Amino acid sequence: DQQVKQNSPSLSVQEGRISILNCDYTNSMFDYFLWYKKYPAEGPTFLISISSIKDKNEDGRFTVFLNKSAKHLSLHIVPSQPGDSAVYFCAATFSNDYKLSFGAGTTVTVRA
Amino acid sequence: DTAVSQTPKYLVTQMGNDKSIKCEQNLGHDTMYWYKQDSKKFLKIMFSYNNKELIINETVPNRFSPKSPDKAHLNLHINSLELGDSAVYFCASSQDSSLYSGANVLTFGAGSRLTVL
Repeated sequence: DQQVKQNSPSLSVQEGRISILNCDYTNSMFDYFLWYKKYPAEGPTFLISISSIKDKNEDGRFTVFLNKSAKHLSLHIVPSQPGDSAVYFCAATFSNDYKLSFGAGTTVTVRA
Repeated sequence: DTAVSQTPKYLVTQMGNDKSIKCEQNLGHDTMYWYKQDSKKFLKIMFSYNNKELIINETVPNRFSPKSPDKAHLNLHINSLELGDSAVYFCASSQDSSLYSGANVLTFGAGSRLTVL
């Protein structure tokens, strides 16, 4: 039973425009959320995270928004660059969970 | 210098065989993990060890046996391989078992693609 869902398997965006990736979760205990980025033939790498006490966290071109009532979070990339082309995984955890639960990923392609 | 290294990167084998995947981390982390990425692309936790002690054992067939000889190594042995075991297996490590902070994130290896024929 998947508790973290990324319903868009792929996203294509023009260079310089905004990429918006969405993630939904079902487990109400989740209160810490992360995004990981993965290039082909590499492992996922940590990108940005947000605690449930916040509704927004920003790091350079990357911003994560959290809507707890809707059990929804999104990752905004502005402006999108060709090097952002990768698979983005949403993940969630809670205190004493000791693991991350991942979504299936969204493949982002940034067109020049 | 690779932080989390897995070997082999690719493994093709016949049904019924036994195989192992090795993982080593040089980050000085206390906690190591095995995740499986199946055909649906979900990354699912299989096992986690903290200082050589098993702390997570998800619903995984007994044919899968992790072994942690020391906290820098976590190996995965699979007996009697089945077609459904075909997947990419990722090893990961973290400073400790509490992932409740951006200061303690999972660092993944590059993955080991297992194909069972």
